[in-house]
Amino acid sequence: AQTVTQSQPEMSVQEAETVTLSCTYDTSESNYYLFWYKQPPSRQMILVIRQEAYKQQNATENRFSVNFQKAAKSFSLKISDSQLGDTAMYFCAFMLTYSGNTPLVFGKGTRLSVIA
Amino acid sequence: DGGITQSPKYLFRKEGQNVTLSCEQNLNHDAMYWYRQDPGQGLRLIYYSQIVNDFQKGDIAEGYSVSREKKESFPLTVTSAQKNPTAFYLCASSPGTANEQYFGPGTRLTVT
Repeated sequence: AQTVTQSQPEMSVQEAETVTLSCTYDTSESNYYLFWYKQPPSRQMILVIRQEAYKQQNATENRFSVNFQKAAKSFSLKISDSQLGDTAMYFCAFMLTYSGNTPLVFGKGTRLSVIA
Repeated sequence: DGGITQSPKYLFRKEGQNVTLSCEQNLNHDAMYWYRQDPGQGLRLIYYSQIVNDFQKGDIAEGYSVSREKKESFPLTVTSAQKNPTAFYLCASSPGTANEQYFGPGTRLTVT
């Protein structure tokens, strides 16, 4: 079974600063995807970024980027130039890709507060 | 507009009553999922369905039931057998293999 661990239950960052959220996972499979989802106070889940395990290049989406270390099974999210709207719960998630539509396995989340 | 709808946003029930949570999508997605969210627990999988008339149990299926009679709809019934049903329930769908899931706005169920 796959597991996802987010070791930082809560974090805070000053507006305009950079913050990194940690995520590690455990799997014996080689083909999978990794995701970061954001859940603001509205509780709507929003995809932030995705990474295919077969790609060595780290994914980036504007101010969001990941550091994907496949051998270490680590998938951290870096948020640059933090904005007040980044305040949310952030969930790391894992998905196998070997066949069909497979469910996501989520970590327990990191609550990020951006301080003005 | 395409999307996933969940109704109602808030739901209140008395203990011992069954309750059905609605999830509808007009995205033409094959797969649909139900997750439960509790404080400090992240999201946990209840049931999922890859195609119509087929579904699989997730990690916490006990006390829940589902049906998938139409591609667009995946209702979740919380039965009286569920020991602690008060939670936030999220429905999601995905279009195919190795695609991200799209989430509905959720239903907050409170059982007293």
